[in-house]
This record gives sequence, structure tokens and C-alpha cells, in this order.
Amino acid sequence: AAGVIQSPRHLIKEKRETATLKCYPIPRHDTVYWYQQGPGQDPQFLISFYEKMQSDKGSIPDRFSAQQFSDYHSELNMSSLELGDSALYFCASRGDNEQYFGPGTRLTVT
Amino acid sequence: AQKVTQAQTEISVVEKEDVTLDCVYETRDTTYYLFWYKQPPSGELVFLIRRNSFDEQNEISGRYSWNFQKSTSSFNFTITASQVVDSAVYFCALSEGDQGGSEKLVFGKGTKLTVNP
Repeated sequence: AAGVIQSPRHLIKEKRETATLKCYPIPRHDTVYWYQQGPGQDPQFLISFYEKMQSDKGSIPDRFSAQQFSDYHSELNMSSLELGDSALYFCASRGDNEQYFGPGTRLTVT
Repeated sequence: AQKVTQAQTEISVVEKEDVTLDCVYETRDTTYYLFWYKQPPSGELVFLIRRNSFDEQNEISGRYSWNFQKSTSSFNFTITASQVVDSAVYFCALSEGDQGGSEKLVFGKGTKLTVNP
């Protein structure tokens, strides 16, 4: 069965650079969630989209923005990266009344 | 506001021992969903179980079992006859709403389980 795809799987950036993370939900899933998991921390909800509209917002910094496109894939854009942005970023898509998580993108900011 | 507490930060057991991971939650909603996820060292989040607030029946899946008690707002997870491959961080999570658990998840801090041979 198809799963949630995230790219890239690993990303290394320097401070003040920008990064774009991509999420491809399971086909026919219309809702996407983004979570951030810092080292040794639990995943924290960032933002979600339903039918290409933002549906909920969590503790997402103003430096971050996200959108969902017509094909339902989503992108998380991160600007002016800081060392504290180093984390595992998960995308999840909703289907069958359940969230399915992608493998995550590990972002390292140096 | 919703909150999930996993009081056990780390647990270490010897293979074949039984181990229970505790989870206590807070919510004002009458409709909510509880989850357990496993996160091995590789980092992915592996779904283990989802339970809605109206179903207090305990569940067993192989060596795994879950005890849901609304009276104490707890959703505990027991691994019977633990194995080294069970070593991971386990997260309990909560979502509110009535869309089948499809709302955002609030996670506990996680319990790191180490099973020694």
C-alpha cells in the first residue's frame, strides 16, 4: 500500500538559510499535518491543511510557512534558519479517520 | 486544554520481563481518541493502536495489551515477555473531536524502553 512520502529525508543547512520540505500524502487523502520533533522531545503540531486550506495552526514560528497544492501535496518553507530548528519533521495524512505518518525529514542546521 | 502525561521517562528491563507503560490524559471533550506510537532508533513513528472514548474494552494484540480506564483517565500499555526488538521510545497521544481521531495529535513526552538481553 502507498504510504506518505517526505522529501528530502535528510537536509543540512546553515544558519540564516532557507529550507523547503515536501510531503506527498497517501492518494485520496485530503488532509495533511506537519509536526516538529526536536532531539529528545515529543512531536509538536505545527500546522494542518484540509482541501488546500489551512485548517489548524499550532506552535509554528512566523519564519515558517506552508501550503497545500492542488494535487494535495504540501510544502513547509522555513526561512532564516536557526540552530534550534534542527529537528525531525513529520508529515501525516488523514484517511479512514486516522493519521498516517511519513518517515520524516531530518533537518540539521549548522 | 488537552494534555498527555507519561510519568516514566525511562524504563529498563531484562528480556522476557513484562513491562507496563503508563499514560494519563486530560481533556474536556467527551469525544476523543487515544493512541500509542512506537519510535525505534531509526526515527519513524509506528502506529500501534487507536482507541475512542466510547470504547473501554481492553485490547490484546499478540504480546501487546492496552488497558483503558476513563474513571482514572488512563490508557496504559503492557508488553508481555519483552524482547530486545521492543527497545524504543513509546508515545501516548490524544486527539479531540469527533472526526474519527483525525484532529491534531497531542503527544506525551514519551517513555524510553530498553530491553536488555
